[in-house]
Amino acid sequence: TQTVSQSDAHVTVFEGDSVELRCNYSYGGSIYLSWYIQHHGHGLQFLLKYYSGNPVVQGVNGFEAEFSKSDSSFHLRKASVHWSDSAVYFCAVSGNNYAQGLTFGLGTRVSVFP
Amino acid sequence: EAAVTQSPRNKVTVTGGNVTLSCRQTNSHNYMYWYRQDTGHGLRLIHYSYGAGNLQIGDVPDGYKATRTTQEDFFLLLELASPSQTSLYFCASSEGGQGAVAEQFFGPGTRLTVL
Repeated sequence: TQTVSQSDAHVTVFEGDSVELRCNYSYGGSIYLSWYIQHHGHGLQFLLKYYSGNPVVQGVNGFEAEFSKSDSSFHLRKASVHWSDSAVYFCAVSGNNYAQGLTFGLGTRVSVFP
Repeated sequence: EAAVTQSPRNKVTVTGGNVTLSCRQTNSHNYMYWYRQDTGHGLRLIHYSYGAGNLQIGDVPDGYKATRTTQEDFFLLLELASPSQTSLYFCASSEGGQGAVAEQFFGPGTRLTVL
């Protein structure tokens, strides 16, 4: 069974600031990690994923995430946030049988102020 | 881009009522999923399917049935709705495939209130 935790429930930043959203997971085998964004009143949208290879993965809209096996982490970063980045961000994990669906963290709400 | 639609977008029913939530995807994906989203719990998987006629149990299946009638259509059934099933329900689909780890495409959600 895989689990995922997002340590920050709410993060407040100003436009142009950098932001890092933390995600830690637990799973004993090969793991698939991803991040999703949910704007208010909408469904989730895929940002990026990691399965193997380069531990730093690039996503849409300037987001990137870095996988660390030693830390069991997959933190999401953005160098300069825009007001439109205000949303809830979910980290998700899946084990070998990824078709069994994703296990999501509780989400981190990001509020970007001008 | 995959299109996943859900209907209705909002539904109010009473305890003991019969509710069907519908989901359709138009990108020929094999895998479809039903999740519920609740404050303090994030998204939790209810049921999922590999294809027409297939059904798999997720993490929180109690009180729910599901049916995949075609590759495009996946239904979630609440035959005796209870207030604890008041939630925001999302359908998702993904391409899947051996060796491929595909992202999931989500519908806009259905907000269900059970009085």
